[in-house]
Amino acid sequence: GQNIDQPTEMTATEGAIVQINCTYQTSGFNGLFWYQQHAGEAPTFLSYNVLDGLEEKGRFSSFLSRSKGYSYLLLKELQMKDSASYLCAVRDNTDKLIFGTGTRLQVFP
Amino acid sequence: NAGVMQNPRHLVRRRGQEARLRCSPMKGHSHVYWYRQLPEEGLKFMVYLQKENIIDESGMPKERFSAEFPKEGPSILRIQQVVRGDSAAYFCASSPRDGPRIHEQYFGPGTRLTVT
Repeated sequence: GQNIDQPTEMTATEGAIVQINCTYQTSGFNGLFWYQQHAGEAPTFLSYNVLDGLEEKGRFSSFLSRSKGYSYLLLKELQMKDSASYLCAVRDNTDKLIFGTGTRLQVFP
Repeated sequence: NAGVMQNPRHLVRRRGQEARLRCSPMKGHSHVYWYRQLPEEGLKFMVYLQKENIIDESGMPKERFSAEFPKEGPSILRIQQVVRGDSAAYFCASSPRDGPRIHEQYFGPGTRLTVT
């Protein structure tokens, strides 16, 4: 079956670093995506990993280990505007995205 | 360069009516995906289309739901005889046919369907 797990909620302080984990078991793997979704809005693309290792893009980094079925999204220098849901999604062998339920991150001052 | 467009943004229907949701992909994109997001749940894949072709409809309910992406015009997700359980946000995403960003799906703002 298809299964993507990520924590439901996390909290952090402005200026801190937070790591959101995602584990997956899917039929086929053609890449892992992270999206940010503010309440009532569309998901926006953050990162894409298809090979093992770390991809860095400004304050955001994403890591993938295919052998472990594991990824994380790292957010540095947190800002209040980073309060949102973060969605982990795997592209399977038919090109559709399988989403986790999302991690709701609250950043406090 | 306009992004993915969806309309209407909000749609209210009574039980038993039909709902039609429209999606215009980004310019240059020929792949369209529809996803449904129930309150407090993750996005669930429904259907994947290319122009005049349904590629994968494994996430579509067998009854009342249909989708098309004609040669001209937007993609349409049609829900017949809506029920309260159809109330959700419906998101459309598009991706290019080829090129270095072929794997990226860009989402529209969604249509929030409320069935009363």
